[in-house]
Amino acid sequence: DTEVTQTPKHLVMGMTNKKSLKCEQHMGHRAMYWYKQKAKKPPELMFVYSYEKLSINESVPSRFSPECPNSSLLNLHLHALQPEDSALYLCASSRQGASREETQYFGPGTRLLVL
Amino acid sequence: KNEVEQSPQNLTAQEGEFITINCSYSVGISALHWLQQHPGGGIVSLFMLSSGKKKHGRLIATINIQEKHSSLHITASHPRDSAVYICAVHNPAGATNKLIFGTGTLLAVQP
Repeated sequence: DTEVTQTPKHLVMGMTNKKSLKCEQHMGHRAMYWYKQKAKKPPELMFVYSYEKLSINESVPSRFSPECPNSSLLNLHLHALQPEDSALYLCASSRQGASREETQYFGPGTRLLVL
Repeated sequence: KNEVEQSPQNLTAQEGEFITINCSYSVGISALHWLQQHPGGGIVSLFMLSSGKKKHGRLIATINIQEKHSSLHITASHPRDSAVYICAVHNPAGATNKLIFGTGTLLAVQP
């Protein structure tokens, strides 16, 4: 299994809703990432988990809450989002937790629309 | 000014043409990636390189560390190559495995 899967593919939510995005990989990778990508822009890093511990938080608002329950699974909990949070949310993984210069394997993304 | 610049921003080619996309960076790097993103979202890593040249099928990536420049070449281009191509670099002065992305090159290959 050499892929990163993300669910759901599409999500529409109101500003008062609570929802979660899910990311899964079974490649034995020990680093997992959340990115946010707005239209026609490159991905922006949000969070990095290394060996199931949060190692980078790029000053992301607290309405985004990441969780890494185990080495294969990464969640992003969403609460009280704003319309400007509408974007493509990409998950990625790489083999070693603290290593640099590694290929990141991306999932297909969840396209989120906040109304 | 972005730390990673790509040119051109948009490129239209006819099927069969040889294509070059350029990437210049202003920071020290330990490695450079070329990524491909098709409409609909998913990103695929094409190459990671820190020196010289790599080839995979019709794709060739080169890097000149002294000039802080990399190129992605596509030979015998095909409409299925239409995508956004993104250059991204690892900055060893930065955080663990954090990539600095270029703004992307939108390639359209017409039949």
